[in-house]
Amino acid sequence: DAMVIQNPRYQVTQFGKPVTLSCSQTLNHNVMYWYQQKSSQAPKLLFHYYDKDFNNEADTPDNFQSRRPNTSFCFLDIRSPGLGDAAMYLCATTLAGGGTEAFFGQGTRLTVV
Amino acid sequence: QKEVEQDPGPLSVPEGAIVSLNCTYSNSAFQYFMWYRQYSRKGPELLMYTYSSGNKEDGRFTAQVDKSSKYISLFIRDSQPSDSATYLCAIVNAGNNRKLIWGLGTSLAVNP
Repeated sequence: DAMVIQNPRYQVTQFGKPVTLSCSQTLNHNVMYWYQQKSSQAPKLLFHYYDKDFNNEADTPDNFQSRRPNTSFCFLDIRSPGLGDAAMYLCATTLAGGGTEAFFGQGTRLTVV
Repeated sequence: QKEVEQDPGPLSVPEGAIVSLNCTYSNSAFQYFMWYRQYSRKGPELLMYTYSSGNKEDGRFTAQVDKSSKYISLFIRDSQPSDSATYLCAIVNAGNNRKLIWGLGTSLAVNP
């Protein structure tokens, strides 16, 4: 019954090698978020989509990109991962205009070697 | 001043204790308040959601909002070892594409 699904759960990538994380949702929510969470820290918003409109946070590095080909799917691309990009990456969705609860996936834990 | 302040703990209590977790916020325009529970290596799970001052109860959990003091609380009654997790408060800035503003999270350990 998972509503927000992230794949893979664990990802190991090499320093500098591009990597893509994926998120899909069955809730038909129009807003999708990508967060980065490091150990013992709150999630940090990287960017979000309001329908097809992309909204980047001012302090999100250019190394991070995102694509949303349709309502259900959203991808996070890290073009050249550095050691500092090792973190848990969380996808969340919400319905703008409806309830404001945000539903999270289980996260992808990224390791950079 | 941070928009949302939360004491990171850690907090350690014996099984059966009443737990009180708190956050303060700075912007009186904030309207929607949530508590998430996050187990180690998992994504945050929504526990409680409220938008008005007062109490909201769900089983052993009670969320309390005091807008006049800009203070929100989560109470856990009869705490269980399975409640051991990090609890994060999150507030929605309804005027900014519903962006979530997070507290740091409080790490809770309930000891059997």
